[in-house]
Amino acid sequence: KNEVEQSPQNLTAQEGEFITINCSYSVGISALHWLQQHPGGGIVSLFMLSSGKKKHGRLIATINIQEKHSSLHITASHPRDSAVYICAVKYSSGSRLTFGEGTQLTVNP
Amino acid sequence: GAVVSQHPSWVICKSGTSVKIECRSLDFQATTMFWYRQFPKQSLMLMATSNEGSKATYEQGVEKDKFLINHASLTLSTLTVTSAHPEDSSFYICSSLRQGLYNEQFFGPGTRLTVL
Repeated sequence: KNEVEQSPQNLTAQEGEFITINCSYSVGISALHWLQQHPGGGIVSLFMLSSGKKKHGRLIATINIQEKHSSLHITASHPRDSAVYICAVKYSSGSRLTFGEGTQLTVNP
Repeated sequence: GAVVSQHPSWVICKSGTSVKIECRSLDFQATTMFWYRQFPKQSLMLMATSNEGSKATYEQGVEKDKFLINHASLTLSTLTVTSAHPEDSSFYICSSLRQGLYNEQFFGPGTRLTVL
């Protein structure tokens, strides 16, 4: 059982829809990352957060430390947002990242 | 944002040969870099932590003699897959750690290795 759980595993949306991807973890963390991996494989770091909320363009990431939960939102989704979105956490006791299984997002035109 | 490069982006080799993958931290000096492996439809798996000027720390189950890591400078780490076999075919990704208030990791674009 992965210590970092994402939902849903797969998500298909129509262009323009509001999208939410969820991430839950089991113990205290020092930071949580949201990563984007396109079909070519390259990984882009979208956000790193330890509390509250961050916004960049159409992307919003929130984290609730008490509930051990984070969400990634995409507003006005576009086909170019199609990718795998990965949640990764750094536990307080260590330096390595623990990755979720990823959410495959497909946005249809 | 910070940039991490990898070279080559893809490589095809024959079984039994060795392949070297370079990871460069272009925007900052990195005393720590990480090497990950990713199989299709799976999450990233940490192989080793590369420390500048000292030996790498390998994860359990990763053969240090097969996956040689050299971190000779603050901007370059290399991963050499020795005597490659088809089961080593995978996507290899490096990451640089920018130490500071937030200790942020930046990922390279990855290297696709195919061993015939």
